[in-house]
Amino acid sequence: QVQLVQSGAEVKKPGASVKVSCRASGYTFTTYGITWVRQAPGQGLEWMGWINSYNGNTKYTQKFQGRVTMTTDTSTSTVYMELRSLRSDDTAVYYCARSVEDYMDVWGKGTTVTVSS
Amino acid sequence: SSELTQDPAVSVALGQTVRITCQGDSLRSYYASWYQQKPGQAPKLVIYGKNNRPSGIPDRFSGSSSGNTGSLTITGAQAEDEADYFCNSRDSGGYVFGTGTKVTVL
Repeated sequence: QVQLVQSGAEVKKPGASVKVSCRASGYTFTTYGITWVRQAPGQGLEWMGWINSYNGNTKYTQKFQGRVTMTTDTSTSTVYMELRSLRSDDTAVYYCARSVEDYMDVWGKGTTVTVSS
Repeated sequence: SSELTQDPAVSVALGQTVRITCQGDSLRSYYASWYQQKPGQAPKLVIYGKNNRPSGIPDRFSGSSSGNTGSLTITGAQAEDEADYFCNSRDSGGYVFGTGTKVTVL
């Protein structure tokens, strides 16, 4: 079945970087893009950006530009999201989701990233 | 980027109908997609496009759009529909989520 499997929880210190992976299976990886969404504790969903799984083209929301990098590895059907210069308000659950036109139809279970000194 | 505004919370009696709205300028040009999220779970797509349901989503869920407002309607709400609901739409900076609506089924 179609699924996205994300890497495990991370604990990082302020100023560090984190790299979260999202491995796709059950479909042709290069046919769909991947969107990254985060959710701070008790808060709503926040759209971070999107990557074309085939050619690596990206679109980041302005808030994260310069601090986030999304990459794709077609040999392993895996997309990565790296966030740098972490702050305490980056503590959140980070989700990857398969993107189809203007919607996200399959979601990973999420990766908890905790930023604490 | 533009904003999408939702009512923070609504309640509905079991078996009755509830409409959840999402307002924003981008909705004059683009349809909203809708996501259901239960505690401790990832969001789940329930409506996309003009009024399309993914496989497995009950037909009591429907979507509509008028002007700058997108709506998600649950006709005959069930206990399992109690959840947070978020709209999402394209905007100038990429995409944006609504503020979210907590639906309580009484």
